[in-house]
Amino acid sequence: EIVMTQSPATLSVSPGERATLSCRASQSVSSNLAWYQQKPGQAPRLLIYGASTRATGIPARFSGSGSATEFTLTISSLQSEDFAIYYCQQYHNWWTFGQGTKVEIK
Amino acid sequence: EVQLVESGGGLIQPGGSLRLSCAASGFTVSSNNINWVRQAPGKGLEWVSVIYSGGSTYYADSVKGRFTISRDNSKNTLDLQMNTLRAEDTAMYYCAKSAGGSYAFDYWGQGTLVTVSS
Repeated sequence: EIVMTQSPATLSVSPGERATLSCRASQSVSSNLAWYQQKPGQAPRLLIYGASTRATGIPARFSGSGSATEFTLTISSLQSEDFAIYYCQQYHNWWTFGQGTKVEIK
Repeated sequence: EVQLVESGGGLIQPGGSLRLSCAASGFTVSSNNINWVRQAPGKGLEWVSVIYSGGSTYYADSVKGRFTISRDNSKNTLDLQMNTLRAEDTAMYYCAKSAGGSYAFDYWGQGTLVTVSS
């Protein structure tokens, strides 16, 4: 099983600031990496797939980068609606998720 | 508009069975790969099962032999039959559609809660 490790567990950011979230895979997943946003009481929402392609309707302030084992999700200027939990997911070999990074208001 | 609506969750005793359903609209389940993903209270996401467009089915090791995924093409629905339920199966269960050309999950239902407890 491919283990996905996200860091940090919690990120405290002020509105308007940049947030950088990391995701590491235990073995190469090529570019088969997605990012999801989940708010309390809601289902996850796809943000990024293919490591760097924004899903339909996702604002340009969300960007993804990386390949193989190291990936990053960047939110360029945090808006109030961006405070949530973010999960990375590999779909190179079945599907596994990271444990999540909570982005909270500083 | 693509929609997925789960139903069938509830409180069940350990060792019991439950059948979840996922009603799809805006697309055809038989032409897409559909998954079940679960999330224990306050925890992260865990992939549970997939049914491919071709009909092949696969399961996470944690549910293999106990859960069965199926679909009804005439009703455009997906089911998850869960047997021999354990306390650790307690979770919100989501159905999620795989994106065309990718295996990421582009549409999710709102989830149905399964609680296994005596």
